[in-house]
Amino acid sequence: AQSVAQPEDQVNVAEGNPLTVKCTYSVSGNPYLFWYVQYPNRGLQFLLKYITGDNLVKGSYGFEAEFNKSQTSFHLKKPSALVSDSALYFCAVRDPSGYSTLTFGKGTMLLVSP
Amino acid sequence: DSGVTQTPKHLITATGQRVTLRCSPRSGDLSVYWYQQSLDQGLQFLIQYYNGEERAKGNILERFSAQQFPDLHSELNLSSLELGDSALYFCASSVTGDGNYGYTFGSGTRLTVV
Repeated sequence: AQSVAQPEDQVNVAEGNPLTVKCTYSVSGNPYLFWYVQYPNRGLQFLLKYITGDNLVKGSYGFEAEFNKSQTSFHLKKPSALVSDSALYFCAVRDPSGYSTLTFGKGTMLLVSP
Repeated sequence: DSGVTQTPKHLITATGQRVTLRCSPRSGDLSVYWYQQSLDQGLQFLIQYYNGEERAKGNILERFSAQQFPDLHSELNLSSLELGDSALYFCASSVTGDGNYGYTFGSGTRLTVV
């Protein structure tokens, strides 16, 4: 079975500081990994994905994520946070070795203060 | 606008009633997924259809059912509604049945059962 853990319910960071939102996963094969963002009263929006290749993946709005196979992690990062980045962030995983849909983590609320 | 259309945006109904939620996938996408989002359960996968046929089933209650029509739109039917069914219901779509390239989400239907 595949699973995702987002260990932090909330991350607080000041505007201009770097941010990290943590995600660890568990799959039996090589994972397909995704990050989505949800703004209030909106659906989830795709940020970035890792399928294969370079461990550092760049996505929308200046976000990037680093795939670390040995630590089974896929942390979301941004060098300089903006107040407008405040939202709910979801990590998701899929094990492509078998048929399965995306499994989402519980989400991490990111609050960026001015 | 993500291209995935969900109607209605809001629905208020009484316990014991039945409602139908509708989803039109992004143009060209063959697969539709239904998710339930609540504060305590997070984002829960309910069911997936691909080109008219059921592809995967998640934590969907027996009181709930869905189908995908020849024009690829999908409907989620919720019956004998309980207070605990109050949640945001999201539809997502993808080009392929495996969702390897990620999903595109609609903006959701907020269901309130009173």
